Amino acid sequence: EAQVTQNPRYLITVTGKKLTVTCSQNMNHEYMSWYRQDPGLGLRQIYYSMNVEVTDKGDVPEGYKVSRKEKRNFPLILESPSPNQTSLYFCASTRLGNTEAFFGQGTRLTVV
Amino acid sequence: AQSVTQPDIHITVSEGASLELRCNYSYGATPYLFWYVQSPGQGLQLLLKYFSGDTLVQGIKGFEAEFKRSQSSFNLRKPSVHWSDAAEYFCAVGLLGGGYNKLIFGAGTRLAVHP
Repeated sequence: EAQVTQNPRYLITVTGKKLTVTCSQNMNHEYMSWYRQDPGLGLRQIYYSMNVEVTDKGDVPEGYKVSRKEKRNFPLILESPSPNQTSLYFCASTRLGNTEAFFGQGTRLTVV
Repeated sequence: AQSVTQPDIHITVSEGASLELRCNYSYGATPYLFWYVQSPGQGLQLLLKYFSGDTLVQGIKGFEAEFKRSQSSFNLRKPSVHWSDAAEYFCAVGLLGGGYNKLIFGAGTRLAVHP
């Protein structure tokens, strides 16, 4: 089954404690992205990757890092989380030359 | 700048009634357009998409949407709403260019269905 898998689904952490949210896709897609969803703002792109070792900032990259060492994986790293990063996060993958994104189930992050 | 506007934050309809959710976009070229649905506690599911061709597109769960270039709109419709349609709906524009690929989302419309 074609899918994008995120882990964990729920995470509560404290300010400043580094965390990683993993994302994996099994569709051999070139593009992968991270979005955050906030009430009244919809989803906004954090970072994206066009292929292995190629990443770039989206619209709201501050406070986040990503890496793309393998085609299927695109982890999101928060090195020093802050309460304003409390949000619902989605990973997505897209086929080359397309904009139709396949989304993971989401990770609800709370930073206290 | 590219943007997507969903004018209605909340909509309440009675079960069996018709539904129209509005979406307006701002984009210079012919857009790739999407409607996604998010049920409570769930991820995003693609309802339908428009890339080119027939401006009336059919999606899953009985939804359809019409692309109107003159109005920069891509409104979502359903003739008869079911209680299970209660969810949040997002309209999005797909941007694909040299070095970038992303979706621009509207703020969403939360749909409530009365029995």
